[in-house]
Amino acid sequence: LAKTTQPISMDSYEGQEVNITCSHNNIATNDYITWYQQFPSQGPRFIIQGYKTKVTNEVASLFIPADRKSSTLSLPRVSLSDTAVYYCLVGENSGYSTLTFGKGTMLLVSP
Amino acid sequence: NAGVTQTPKFQVLKTGQSMTLQCAQDMNHNSMYWYRQDPGMGLRLIYYSASEGTTDKGEVPNGYNVSRLNKREFSLRLESAAPSQTSVYFCASSEGRVPPNEKLFFGSGTQLSVL
Repeated sequence: LAKTTQPISMDSYEGQEVNITCSHNNIATNDYITWYQQFPSQGPRFIIQGYKTKVTNEVASLFIPADRKSSTLSLPRVSLSDTAVYYCLVGENSGYSTLTFGKGTMLLVSP
Repeated sequence: NAGVTQTPKFQVLKTGQSMTLQCAQDMNHNSMYWYRQDPGMGLRLIYYSASEGTTDKGEVPNGYNVSRLNKREFSLRLESAAPSQTSVYFCASSEGRVPPNEKLFFGSGTQLSVL
């Protein structure tokens, strides 16, 4: 079972760049890395997905080194509304039963 | 554009009572999922349905049953509720191409308390 490790929590201030790293040493060859964001009392929301190198969209960037054993979600110039829990999801190519989210990283953005 | 709709949003049950959580998606997705979320535990997969007509157990299926009623609807049933089933339940759906590299779309959740 592919297991991910993320920091339990992070603190930041408005306007700063935040980088959240996820370790996934057992990632399989065909697996993608997906990040979700969850606000209180809401379901998780897809942020970004990548396979290798760098992916960027309007919300975030995802950096994946060549060995793919970790990934870093980068949030540029965070605001108070970015306070949320961020989950790194890496599955095994063995079926749906491995769709577990882990405990995520609680990001608190302060003024 | 409703996405994934869950009902009810809140429910209180007594131990031993039964109930069904409803979920419907309007995105023509093939796959649907039920998760539970407990404080400090992240989201854990209860059951999933890869396509209409199929269901399979996830990580924590004990005490639950599911029905994929049609392509749109996927229900979760608690036959005899227990306090350990107090949790927030989320339904999700995805296109159903190549799991688990899929993008999941979640509902807003059902907060269930079992007394």
